[in-house]
Amino acid sequence: EDKVVQSPLSLVVHEGDTVTLNCSYEVTNFRSLLWYKQEKKAPTFLFMLTSSGIEKKSGRLSSILDKKELSSILNITATQTGDSAIYLCAVDSGGGADGLTFGKGTHLIIQP
Amino acid sequence: EPEVTQTPSHQVTQMGQEVILRCVPISNHLYFYWYRQILGQKVEFLVSFYNNEISEKSEIFDDQFSVERPDGSNFTLKIRSTKLEDSAMYFCASRDPTGQSYEQYFGPGTRLTVT
Repeated sequence: EDKVVQSPLSLVVHEGDTVTLNCSYEVTNFRSLLWYKQEKKAPTFLFMLTSSGIEKKSGRLSSILDKKELSSILNITATQTGDSAIYLCAVDSGGGADGLTFGKGTHLIIQP
Repeated sequence: EPEVTQTPSHQVTQMGQEVILRCVPISNHLYFYWYRQILGQKVEFLVSFYNNEISEKSEIFDDQFSVERPDGSNFTLKIRSTKLEDSAMYFCASRDPTGQSYEQYFGPGTRLTVT
């Protein structure tokens, strides 16, 4: 059974801090790893990673995949209160129609 | 920017009743999905749909569930006889496999409450 594990499950930091969220996976047929941000309702897409060692960056957020270690990290620098959300890691492990396997998420709270 | 839409946003139903959750995927997308998220738990895959048929389904998607694309735009999830444990947020997602990006775009969800 495919498995995605995220850590920590929750994290409270102060505005301006840098955070690193972790995701590890065990899947039978890895295709890509995706990061989503979930605020009130729908997960919104952040990054998709397919190749090891290539950093993806969007503003203060960045992410990298390590296929050897079967893991990924999501970094957020200079955090703001608007970054407070649940960050979901998901793995696409099959053909085009396969569903994503999600981790439980990291609940990030940024205090002013 | 195109987005996935879902209706209703909240549905309350009695145990044993049938419910239909509706989704309008992004118009040029070809793969469609349903996920559910029980309160406090992780997002779980239910079913994927491509070319007018189910492509993959999880163990959760048993005989009480069905999906349909009744026309060119809507994608529905029917739960035949709801149980208390079906209470969850149900997300629809769609994906365009023709471009370089394979990410799934999620709708805002329908919160289903079974009483």
